Amino acid sequence: ETGVTQSPTHLIKTRGQQVTLRCSSQSGHNTVSWYQQALGQGPQFIFQYYREEENGRGNFPPRFSGLQFPNYSSELNVNALELDDSALYLCASSWDQGSGNTIYFGEGSWLTVV
Amino acid sequence: AQSVTQLGSHVSVSEGALVLLRCNYSSSVPPYLFWYVQYPNQGLQLLLKYTSAATLVKGINGFEAEFKKSETSFHLTKPSAHMSDAAEYFCAVSESGATNKLIFGTGTLLAVQP
Repeated sequence: ETGVTQSPTHLIKTRGQQVTLRCSSQSGHNTVSWYQQALGQGPQFIFQYYREEENGRGNFPPRFSGLQFPNYSSELNVNALELDDSALYLCASSWDQGSGNTIYFGEGSWLTVV
Repeated sequence: AQSVTQLGSHVSVSEGALVLLRCNYSSSVPPYLFWYVQYPNQGLQLLLKYTSAATLVKGINGFEAEFKKSETSFHLTKPSAHMSDAAEYFCAVSESGATNKLIFGTGTLLAVQP
């Protein structure tokens, strides 16, 4: 148990649709990041939010967007879904934004795009 | 940009045998290094973390890893494998800076034979 909770656990969407994934960070953690893990691959960094501001982004197009709320929970939104967006989406939280802070992961949300 | 290489996508050992999972990183400065474990259909669990305090890092479940700067390696070991160790293992490096971004290797799937 890492204290990071994600919802939903599984969902199926049609190509072109939009999806919102949700995450509650571990108590006391002000930094949330999102990762995409395709089947058979390591997780890839999407972006990080610190105190409601995006402060780091990986190589993902703008149709991947996010929000962080005052209670530090977060959402990942993906517009215009493509088949290649099918993956496990992992939310993670840490005590602070800087490198080296231990990152705790949730169980993930499995997204299938058909 | 930093990167992580995990040699051997699949490793099979007998129960009770030594576990050795290899990880090499590319970095011009001492990085933060992590090992995570992922059980089937679950998120990532932190095994251990290197922060330059000590070159030999002890983690959970009897795992440890040794940081060797001269070899740019951070191999994971366990003296005696248990059936419950069967999982996928990811090595990750944290880029220095304001963003707590992890760069993961492609993972090593560990099988433990009875």
